[in-house]
Amino acid sequence: DQQVKQNSPSLSVQEGRISILNCDYTNSMFDYFLWYKKYPAEGPTFLISISSIKDKNEDGRFTVFLNKSAKHLSLHIVPSQPGDSAVYFCAASDEGAAGNKLTFGGGTRVLVKP
Amino acid sequence: EPEVTQTPSHQVTQMGQEVILRCVPISNHLYFYWYRQILGQKVEFLVSFYNNEISEKSEIFDDQFSVERPDGSNFTLKIRSTKLEDSAMYFCASRDRTSVNQPQHFGDGTRLSIL
Repeated sequence: DQQVKQNSPSLSVQEGRISILNCDYTNSMFDYFLWYKKYPAEGPTFLISISSIKDKNEDGRFTVFLNKSAKHLSLHIVPSQPGDSAVYFCAASDEGAAGNKLTFGGGTRVLVKP
Repeated sequence: EPEVTQTPSHQVTQMGQEVILRCVPISNHLYFYWYRQILGQKVEFLVSFYNNEISEKSEIFDDQFSVERPDGSNFTLKIRSTKLEDSAMYFCASRDRTSVNQPQHFGDGTRLSIL
């Protein structure tokens, strides 16, 4: 099942710089997109989301961009901090479907170097 | 901040045995989910549950699996006869649907090891 794909398995960035994480999807029924952060031995923690009626959503250091025509979204973290080091998952759902299940990408491991 | 809690954190079971994984969703949430992540693979959906019935289930969720909300707070996943390939992290999630576009909130998972 490759409906949601994160092509970069890892990313290394210097503290204070921008981290850009990318995600592609194929299912045109997806209309709600989320980013989760996961530390080892913990569950995914919700970070930020965006509805398909928007192209940008911002929350503090985190901004998500959605390009519907390209079926692509990205997460920008500015400035990156060492505590941001984690695995980041992109997820998508069809809000009109019965169960609203999330379909996850494979994750991107981010390492922020001090 | 309210959170989803899962017990146990680690469950070791012999193949063929029944196992029950427990979850306490966030109290005012109405939608409940189970996901699993096999080591090195994606997080994958198992089942969603609303109004005391299954809303949707994946191909993985066969007759060996069942879910239940036995009281007003717990949400359980039962695997009747475990197989080696059931070894995975199992995550419970819940969601508030009083408005659209609400995120699912996850527990810290139960690591299930089948011997």
